[in-house]
Amino acid sequence: IAGITQAPTSQILAAGRRMTLRCTQDMRHNAMYWYRQDLGLGLRLIHYSNTAGTTGKGEVPDGYSVSRANTDDFPLTLASAVPSQTSVYFCASKAGRLNTEAFFGQGTRLTVV
Amino acid sequence: TQLLEQSPQFLSIQEGENLTVYCNSSSVFSSLQWYRQEPGEGPVLLVTVVTGGEVKKLKRLTFQFGDARKDSSLHITAAQPGDTGLYLCAGDGGSQGNLIFGKGTKLSVKP
Repeated sequence: IAGITQAPTSQILAAGRRMTLRCTQDMRHNAMYWYRQDLGLGLRLIHYSNTAGTTGKGEVPDGYSVSRANTDDFPLTLASAVPSQTSVYFCASKAGRLNTEAFFGQGTRLTVV
Repeated sequence: TQLLEQSPQFLSIQEGENLTVYCNSSSVFSSLQWYRQEPGEGPVLLVTVVTGGEVKKLKRLTFQFGDARKDSSLHITAAQPGDTGLYLCAGDGGSQGNLIFGKGTKLSVKP
């Protein structure tokens, strides 16, 4: 079934540790996004990529990095996790930049202790 | 910075009641989208409205885009427990056209 796959589904991580959240799509979409969802704050954009080889910063990029080596994969790395990064992380993709549907993964629930 | 304000934040109603959720902004959007999210899942697109004044219907759900393309509403007729979920409006914002979201309306429909 075509779509977006995120891994892991959930993770408990010690503060200070490095962690990479994986995201893979098989729809050949150009644009990919990472959001975090927190109670009362909604979905906030962390980083985006409009095409393979390019990335950009969203609303809340500090403490996170991304890469886009190919069309399908868009990993999100926390270099040194802090408790404020406890959240649910969603990866999404779109075929184009404007007026197109965003497809989301199932999310990764991350707890930093 | 483009912002989307949703209201109400929470809504708890009985089965069979009607409701309206609002999504407002001071900015003009090329389109607005409505997503529905269930617990433990990612958001799923319900509809995209593109033209000012446009009205779209999806069974018991009616979506409207404001004439000035700054606001949208979602009206549910005769709500059912299966309508329970988080409703999110979203628009393409900024020079990069990244999808930005309102904070959502959490709807609970009790049988």
